Amino acid sequence: KAGVTQTPRYLIKTRGQQVTLSCSPISGHRSVSWYQQTPGQGLQFLFEYFSETQRNKGNFPGRFSGRQFSNSRSEMNVSTLELGDSALYLCASRPGEDTQYFGPGTRLTVL
Amino acid sequence: ELKVEQNPLFLSMQEGKNYTIYCNYSTTSDRLYWYRQDPGKSLESLFVLLSNGAVKQEGRLMASLDTKARLSTLHITAAVHDLSATYFCAVGNAGGTSYGKLTFGQGTILTVHP
Repeated sequence: KAGVTQTPRYLIKTRGQQVTLSCSPISGHRSVSWYQQTPGQGLQFLFEYFSETQRNKGNFPGRFSGRQFSNSRSEMNVSTLELGDSALYLCASRPGEDTQYFGPGTRLTVL
Repeated sequence: ELKVEQNPLFLSMQEGKNYTIYCNYSTTSDRLYWYRQDPGKSLESLFVLLSNGAVKQEGRLMASLDTKARLSTLHITAAVHDLSATYFCAVGNAGGTSYGKLTFGQGTILTVHP
């Protein structure tokens, strides 16, 4: 089975721009979660989607949003980028109540 | 607010030695996970612990869970260089929120040297 895929793998943007990151879960997994990883704050939960519905949202400003499509693929969007948004963004999928499997991540650099 | 704390945060070990990483969490949960991350890479699942007293072993790593003490341990036996990585514990479904929301510890950077 193919693993979780994320595109793009690397991204450079400037302050004020917006960005969209994409995640394709493992086939058959309907739950997708997003995390932000930074050296200062560690791994922080952004949001979780299941069957196109947002189930949980972490403590991030409204500039961070996401959605899930009927094929379980998910996108997250960050508007009005700030320098502090530079991070590794990880997507994870899971089959029901089981372990989350993480993708390779998208490394976003904001200049 | 759920807090997950690991210690130590940095661990420098000699090959062949044993050591334990501790993970304390502050809220009732029925899932405790251990992940490994190599530099510049994503997270690799090591163990999921589901119940009090659960113990799982894979190679030189053994994880255990004490839900009453809200404590999990990751024990390393006879360390080898290949185990050098960052290890994270994570709590799932804390307070019955969701299995899709993990709260991570700060991570333990393990370096194994000759």
